[in-house]
Amino acid sequence: SQKIEQNSEALNIQEGKTATLTCNYTNYSPAYLQWYRQDPGRGPVFLLLIRENEKEKRKERLKVTFDTTLKQSLFHITASQPADSATYLCAPLDQGGKLIFGQGTELSVKP
Amino acid sequence: GAGVSQSPSNKVTEKGKDVELRCDPISGHTALYWYRQSLGQGLEFLIYFQGNSAPDKSGLPSDRFSAERTGGSVSTLTIQRTQQEDSAVYLCASSLNRASYEQYFGPGTRLTVT
Repeated sequence: SQKIEQNSEALNIQEGKTATLTCNYTNYSPAYLQWYRQDPGRGPVFLLLIRENEKEKRKERLKVTFDTTLKQSLFHITASQPADSATYLCAPLDQGGKLIFGQGTELSVKP
Repeated sequence: GAGVSQSPSNKVTEKGKDVELRCDPISGHTALYWYRQSLGQGLEFLIYFQGNSAPDKSGLPSDRFSAERTGGSVSTLTIQRTQQEDSAVYLCASSLNRASYEQYFGPGTRLTVT
């Protein structure tokens, strides 16, 4: 069955550093992969979409990579700020055309 | 413009009662999704509506769960004979016209079954 794995442990980093979050998937090859941000008590908010034929995608301080050989996506936030503290969800497209959401990685950026 | 809205924001119900959760998607969005999120867990897909097509109900956990979408807009998720394990946040999302496009989420309904 299709499986998504994100770091279950919270990531704690210092303001100004680069945060790197990992998403691994198994047993299939998604055509797209999306990243969402979720704040406590709120619904997820879309951040970036990367397609299987794209190695890298950037948006302001965000960068996403997609390695179809390793079956892995990395999500980077450069020059991190306390306001970046949230849970980040990885969501590859499944074979049925729906998004499968990982359990998310909680990021905490300390001033 | 207005985003996805959900009501109620919180619902406490007794075990065995039926509940209805409502979702108002973004105007013009033809795709609508329901998800369930338990504490500390990822989003669990429940059901997907696309235009006038038959809904994809493959994620509904039991026949106590049902959903409808009237007039291609508002959707209602109904849980009959609620159980304690139904306690979770129920999230609704809409997207422009295809399953693969970015989804816009509502704030969710927190359901507590006592």
